[in-house]
Amino acid sequence: AQSVSQHNHHVILSEAASLELGCNYSYGGTVNLFWYVQYPGQHLQLLLKYFSGDPLVKGIKGFEAEFIKSKFSFNLRKPSVQWSDTAEYFCAVNKKAAGNKLTFGGGTRVLVKP
Amino acid sequence: EAGVTQFPSHSVIEKGQTVTLRCDPISGHDNLYWYRRVMGKEIKFLLHFVKESKQDESGMPNNRFLAERTGGTYSTLKVQPAELEDSGVYFCASSRTGTGLNEQYFGPGTRLTVT
Repeated sequence: AQSVSQHNHHVILSEAASLELGCNYSYGGTVNLFWYVQYPGQHLQLLLKYFSGDPLVKGIKGFEAEFIKSKFSFNLRKPSVQWSDTAEYFCAVNKKAAGNKLTFGGGTRVLVKP
Repeated sequence: EAGVTQFPSHSVIEKGQTVTLRCDPISGHDNLYWYRRVMGKEIKFLLHFVKESKQDESGMPNNRFLAERTGGTYSTLKVQPAELEDSGVYFCASSRTGTGLNEQYFGPGTRLTVT
């Protein structure tokens, strides 16, 4: 079955620490990759996306992600987090041959302590 | 521009009752999607409309769920009769056709509790 795995369910870190969230998927073929974020009380927002080209993608709020095709991974990074980065983060994959639907990972709750 | 809106934000119903969720996509977005997140699980795709047509309904769990998008604008998702396992957050998303095909904008979700 096609799946998307996020390795950490919960992450707690202090302000200014670096953040890396893992995401692996199990599809073959061409994919589009996304990271979404849901801040407390808000709706899901797109952080960044990868369709093609440079595998290092820069998104909003200082986030970036790297697509490593050989590892089927799309890890999210931020060098120095802020308290306002407290949120739940979702990796999502779209298999181009399967229409527009997104397959999500289970989400990672990130708590940044001030 | 206004974002995707969903109504109601919360709904609590008893097992066996009927509930109808509504989604208003971003104006001009032909693609409309429904997703669901059951407690503690991942967000799962339910179905995809292109205008008023169902493009992909492979994620609909069973025939107690009926989605419509008459006129290609807003969409409704009806659950009849509701069961306990239907509890969760139902998200709607929309996207343009063309180059923005895969960038989906999400609504705030409807939290459904079936007791």
